[in-house]
Formats: sequence, C-alpha cells, structure tokens
Amino acid sequence: AQKITQTQPGMFVQEKEAVTLDCTYDTSDQSYGLFWYKQPSSGEMIFLIYQGSYDEQNATEGRYSLNFQKARKSANLVISASQLGDSAMYFCAMREVAGGTSYGKLTFGQGTILTVHP
Amino acid sequence: KAGVTQTPRYLIKTRGQQVTLSCSPISGHRSVSWYQQTPGQGLQFLFEYFSETQRNKGNFPGRFSGRQFSNSRSEMNVSTLELGDSALYLCASSLGGQTYNEQFFGPGTRLTVL
Repeated sequence: AQKITQTQPGMFVQEKEAVTLDCTYDTSDQSYGLFWYKQPSSGEMIFLIYQGSYDEQNATEGRYSLNFQKARKSANLVISASQLGDSAMYFCAMREVAGGTSYGKLTFGQGTILTVHP
Repeated sequence: KAGVTQTPRYLIKTRGQQVTLSCSPISGHRSVSWYQQTPGQGLQFLFEYFSETQRNKGNFPGRFSGRQFSNSRSEMNVSTLELGDSALYLCASSLGGQTYNEQFFGPGTRLTVL
C-alpha cells in the first residue's frame, strides 16, 4: 500500500524567503507519480507541480521546485521568494501507475499549513 | 479552457436523506475521481470513473455510489446520510490515458448533515 508522510503540521516563513516542505513516501511500485497541491482557505485544490518516478531531473514550475531523492523516498517542495498569498495548506500526494496506465487514485499526506509573515 | 466545475457548492441535509453531487471535468478529460475531505480523516479517495466505468474504488460503504455519463460528467450519490458524512467533497479530472501528469480539482461541494 502507498503511504505519504508530511511531518510538519505547520511552518512559518518570512516574506521573500525560501521554505522547504517535507514529504516522504512509501511504495513498492517502481512506477509512480508525485504531486504537490495548495489548498487555500476557500477549499479548492490547486495543482502546483508533478514529478514522475523515472524523471531524472527535479521538476520546477516558476517559484516551485521539487527536490526529488528517490533512494530516500522523499519529494520535498521548495518555494522560493515566499509571498503572502502562499499562506495555505499544502498537500503531497502519490499516484500509482500500473500496466502503463496512470490511474486517478491519489494518496494524500496530512498536509502542512504554511504561514507567510510580512 | 474551462476548469472542473462542481455543483452545488454548498448543501445542507438531514440524517437519513440522500444527496447527489455533480462534477463536470475539463473538456477532453475522461477520468473523474472523487475524494472526501474531513478534518479527522484528511483526504480520502472514494472512486474513479473512466469512460463510464468505475475502475478504482476506495474503502467506503455501499451508501456511496457514483456514475459517469458519456460526456464524462460524473455524479456521486450518498444515501441514508449520517452525521459523519459532513465533509468537503472534491472531484478531480484527468486525461486518464497511458501517461499523464495532470490531475485538476474542482472547487468542491461542502456537505453539512444535521
């Protein structure tokens, strides 16, 4: 069974500084996908970044980058130059890939609440 | 391109009633997945539909059911509502094919059971 662990219930960062949100995962699958989502207080889940298990380079999307260490089974999210609007809950999630098909089931971690201070 | 839409956004029901939630995926997306989010249990997978067929199911009682139509729109039904069914219900859409990286969520339906 797949499992995602986010050990930081809450994180604080000063505006314009960088912050790393931790995510470790456990799976016996060789092929999988890792996602990060942002959930503001409105409730909508906003897709941030994706990393495939066979991707050799770390994924980047604007101010977001994913520090993927496959041997350690970690997929930490790095947000550079934090903004006040980054204050939200952040979820790490994993999707299984079986038989060449990426299924729609995501397994989520418990989330990390990020607060950006001015 | 329009995003994932969910209706209604808010619902208040009483115990024992049933409820139907609707999700319209992004145009061209054939997979729709449903999730329940509660403060205690976090985000839990309910089921996934692809081309009108359920191809994955989470660990929820039979009171939770769903279906998908030929235009990929999906509905989720909860019968005999219980207080514990109060939650944010999220649906997500994706292409659902061989290899894809995207899974986009709708704004959710917040269900309150009194």
